[in-house]
Amino acid sequence: DAGVTQSPTHLIKTRGQQVTLRCSPKSGHDTVSWYQQALGQGPQFIFQYYEEEERQRGNFPDRFSGHQFPNYSSELNVNALLLGDSALYLCASSLQGFYGYTFGSGTRLTVV
Amino acid sequence: QKEVEQNSGPLSVPEGAIASLNCTYSDRGSQSFFWYRQYSGKSPELIMSIYSNGDKEDGRFTAQLNKASQYVSLLIRDSQPSDSATYLCAVALYGNNRLAFGKGNQVVVIP
Repeated sequence: DAGVTQSPTHLIKTRGQQVTLRCSPKSGHDTVSWYQQALGQGPQFIFQYYEEEERQRGNFPDRFSGHQFPNYSSELNVNALLLGDSALYLCASSLQGFYGYTFGSGTRLTVV
Repeated sequence: QKEVEQNSGPLSVPEGAIASLNCTYSDRGSQSFFWYRQYSGKSPELIMSIYSNGDKEDGRFTAQLNKASQYVSLLIRDSQPSDSATYLCAVALYGNNRLAFGKGNQVVVIP
């Protein structure tokens, strides 16, 4: 039973560029949540997708956008990258209505 | 006021001792609480969940919940070097299908 898969594992981008991160949820899960974790901080909620719609959004600018596909996989897009966007981006999958989040291994994004 | 607060600095404990971690939350309607362990450079891993007031034990871990005081704690008994990690407190917000996390507490177990 595959867990949550995220790609790529590491990424280096230049300020102003755009990036797309990908997530495949755990088998049987239908909800994907994205978190940003800066060094030394806890994960900060970006948004959550269920039934291919953004259901909730945290305090992140519109430069952060996402998508969920019919197979429940999801993408996180960040436009106009800033140095402050450098962080570990975590995808967590769950079953709607339950809080048993399973995290992927994350994507380490470095903006230079 | 932050949704979840973990204010303690790094905690150093000798091997075999008890590590005690605390967490407070602001949403009085929250019903579900979790502790995650995160090794350096890795993703969070769920180690405990608790939903009712009182204690819940799982192996060397005990979670304690006091909803009246809006307080959750985690005890790690017989601490081992492999317990050295950051421990994240997470709270499921009432009426809101997402988890809010604290900043985490680093635990260092000294052999």
